[in-house]
Amino acid sequence: DAKTTQPNSMESNEEEPVHLPCNHSTISGTDYIHWYRQLPSQGPEYVIHGLTSNVNNRMASLAIAEDRKSSTLILHRATLRDAAVYYCILRYLNRDDKIIFGKGTRLHILP
Amino acid sequence: DTGVSQNPRHKITKRGQNVTFRCDPISEHNRLYWYRQTLGQGPEFLTYFQNEAQLEKSRLLSDRFSAERPKGSFSTLEIQRTEQGDSAMYLCASSFGTGDTEQFFGPGTRLTVL
Repeated sequence: DAKTTQPNSMESNEEEPVHLPCNHSTISGTDYIHWYRQLPSQGPEYVIHGLTSNVNNRMASLAIAEDRKSSTLILHRATLRDAAVYYCILRYLNRDDKIIFGKGTRLHILP
Repeated sequence: DTGVSQNPRHKITKRGQNVTFRCDPISEHNRLYWYRQTLGQGPEFLTYFQNEAQLEKSRLLSDRFSAERPKGSFSTLEIQRTEQGDSAMYLCASSFGTGDTEQFFGPGTRLTVL
């Protein structure tokens, strides 16, 4: 399975944008890029996913590099409630949809 | 609340005892997954069901672990002869359909083996 590389931790100030990077240099053409996050003492929750084009939803934006070897999750205005571990995951479209998690990036939000 | 529920939320047991956890997925979700998460790590896949059929089991799922989903609704995960290494958060998730669909996770059951 193609793997992702993320920084172990990041810090951001409250009410500022946050850019969480993810490298996936061995991504295949049918791998979707998914992001989940895990708030303290909770199970993971879906954030966003995309294939080639940038994606926006109410939670975040996903910017995908043209060669698809990297992507960035963008939180436009971080709040204290966004402090969590963010997982960047590759999921092959038509195969078993178990999720293979890495260690993710622990995002700290400073008030 | 119509999300995924798990019971109990916490379980403390002595080494060698058997424990059973329950997961109630979102209604009409046909896929149900079990994951295990230890401190500082991301969740690790254990097994999953499509309806009542167990379709895949991870190598992490030793013969002391068994999971069932008898009527295609709720699921149970049993650990026999618990060991201290079994201490972890056990997460359940469910999804509808096949392939590339969002999984909805429950809050987990935290197991501590003394």
